[in-house]
Amino acid sequence: GQNIDQPTEMTATEGAIVQINCTYQTSGFNGLFWYQQHAGEAPTFLSYNVLDGLEEKGRFSSFLSRSKGYSYLLLKELQMKDSASYLCAVKGSGAGSYQLTFGKGTKLSVIP
Amino acid sequence: NAGVTQTPKFRVLKTGQSMTLLCAQDMNHEYMYWYRQDPGMGLRLIHYSVGEGTTAKGEVPDGYNVSRLKKQNFLLGLESAAPSQTSVYFCASSEGLAGVDTDTQYFGPGTRLTVL
Repeated sequence: GQNIDQPTEMTATEGAIVQINCTYQTSGFNGLFWYQQHAGEAPTFLSYNVLDGLEEKGRFSSFLSRSKGYSYLLLKELQMKDSASYLCAVKGSGAGSYQLTFGKGTKLSVIP
Repeated sequence: NAGVTQTPKFRVLKTGQSMTLLCAQDMNHEYMYWYRQDPGMGLRLIHYSVGEGTTAKGEVPDGYNVSRLKKQNFLLGLESAAPSQTSVYFCASSEGLAGVDTDTQYFGPGTRLTVL
């Protein structure tokens, strides 16, 4: 099975940097995804990591350490529109490789 | 391209009624998925399909049935709705390329279902 933990809520100031952590314990691992979900909307893809290290995409970066079962999403130069929930999801291996297991999401509030 | 679309957007049912949620994708994706999202629970996989004519159970399949008669459509059925099935239902699809790990799932806008 999969167990994924991330903080429930975070608050950060416009223009600042925020790091959202995700830890996982899985029976198989084939990659970790981050999704953004604005209230009342569908999740949208942000990033994917399967190898250890940092992946950078503009203001967003995602880091993975497979040995520690740990990932984080780093958001720089925060904007008000970044207020959303951020979902960490793990892709399984073998028979579970078709499935994503999602964490409960971290609700980020960006304040002026 | 419309991407992934879901019908209806909102629905209110009484306990014991039945209904079908329709998901359609125009990206020629092989894989399709149905999730439910509840407060404090995150997204949970109900059923999924890895190709036309195939379906498989996810984490929370009880009380639901699915069918994938056409590649572009994935139907989710509730035969006898219960208040515990009040939720937001999301459909997703992915390319399903063999050996490709970055099989990103793309989500529809969701269906908000209330069972009284």
